[in-house]
Amino acid sequence: RKEVEQDPGPFNVPEGATVAFNCTYSNSASQSFFWYRQDCRKEPKLLMSVYSSGNEDGRFTAQLNRASQYISLLIRDSKLSDSATYLCVVNTNAGKSTFGDGTTLTVKP
Amino acid sequence: EPEVTQTPSHQVTQMGQEVILRCVPISNHLYFYWYRQILGQKVEFLVSFYNNEISEKSEIFDDQFSVERPDGSNFTLKIRSTKLEDSAMYFCASREQGAFNYGYTFGSGTRLTVV
Repeated sequence: RKEVEQDPGPFNVPEGATVAFNCTYSNSASQSFFWYRQDCRKEPKLLMSVYSSGNEDGRFTAQLNRASQYISLLIRDSKLSDSATYLCVVNTNAGKSTFGDGTTLTVKP
Repeated sequence: EPEVTQTPSHQVTQMGQEVILRCVPISNHLYFYWYRQILGQKVEFLVSFYNNEISEKSEIFDDQFSVERPDGSNFTLKIRSTKLEDSAMYFCASREQGAFNYGYTFGSGTRLTVV
């Protein structure tokens, strides 16, 4: 089983749509959780941290369920500029982060 | 906004040659990392570095790889004898001390092509 598993995608949605990405992780000792976005041939960029209480940043909402070892990202009112690959990232200790394979989103006019 | 700087942006090398990839982390960050991404594949952890020593490394980071912080600002990744399968994008990242719940800042990467 992969350490971090994401929806395989790709997701193709119209502008204005709401889209949700799911992620599960296998190590129950995992301590911190993030969503990154990566544009084609660019570096990953931190989108948001994910907290147990859930957190929101504008159109983006992240949720964490430690009992189910599940993380989600919801994007409301999708924009063309949201087209990217979204990476679920899990830290088990201070040494490293484990990345999911990523889910590709294409927002179409 | 502070940046992690990587040089060169693209390196082409012959199989068997040594390469050194360079990174300048954000100045007040004390945790440093190298990751790689083979084209079309996931981002993979190579090594983490703190307090002038390796804190963790992956199976990929074998004896052909080494890291160094030679002068307090640069952070380098050396591949001693490159193989075709080392062709990938190599990303350097850094993180603030004590900010375990903070994500990384990545550099823009070095695309290594081994021919």
